[in-house]
Amino acid sequence: KAGVTQTPRYLIKTRGQQVTLSCSPISGHRSVSWYQQTPGQGLQFLFEYFSETQRNKGNFPGRFSGRQFSNSRSEMNVSTLELGDSALYLCASSLGTDRTDTQYFGPGTRLTVL
Amino acid sequence: GNSVTQMEGPVTLSEEAFLTINCTYTATGYPSLFWYVQYPGEGLQLLLKATKADDKGSNKGFEATYRKETTSFHLEKGSVQVSDSAVYFCALSQGGKLIFGQGTELSVKP
Repeated sequence: KAGVTQTPRYLIKTRGQQVTLSCSPISGHRSVSWYQQTPGQGLQFLFEYFSETQRNKGNFPGRFSGRQFSNSRSEMNVSTLELGDSALYLCASSLGTDRTDTQYFGPGTRLTVL
Repeated sequence: GNSVTQMEGPVTLSEEAFLTINCTYTATGYPSLFWYVQYPGEGLQLLLKATKADDKGSNKGFEATYRKETTSFHLEKGSVQVSDSAVYFCALSQGGKLIFGQGTELSVKP
């Protein structure tokens, strides 16, 4: 079974621009979660989508948004980029039906904001 | 709120040494607990998990036991290898999201 895939793997943007990241979950998984990883703040939860609905949201500004499509693929958008948005963005998928479900992570998208 | 605290790194060991990485948590209810590992330039890989008190998760020689009385989930391995060098994250699940510790970098020298 193919794992979680994320595209692109690397991105370089300048302040003020916007960016869209994509995530394809493991086949059969209906939940997709997004995390931001930085050296200073560690791993922080952004949001979770399940069956095209945002089910959970972390403590990030409204510039961070996401969506999920009917095939469970998800996109994350960051508008008006700031230098502090430079990070590794990780996507994880799971069945999403039980608290014991395991989240499986993709390789991440490395975003650099100049 | 819920939180996870890990011992600070980096941890440097010689090959075949015994490994312990401490992890304690604060949580309401009965979260599932996880250990993930991250190799340089990669995403997170699930190492092991436990879903209820006294459960022991194990994989590739690593073990961790869910201790509700001490709110702990310490990671252990009897004999580490150079290939175990990576960053290890303890995490708990809360309503579909994972809350992570700050990560512990492990370096194993030959």
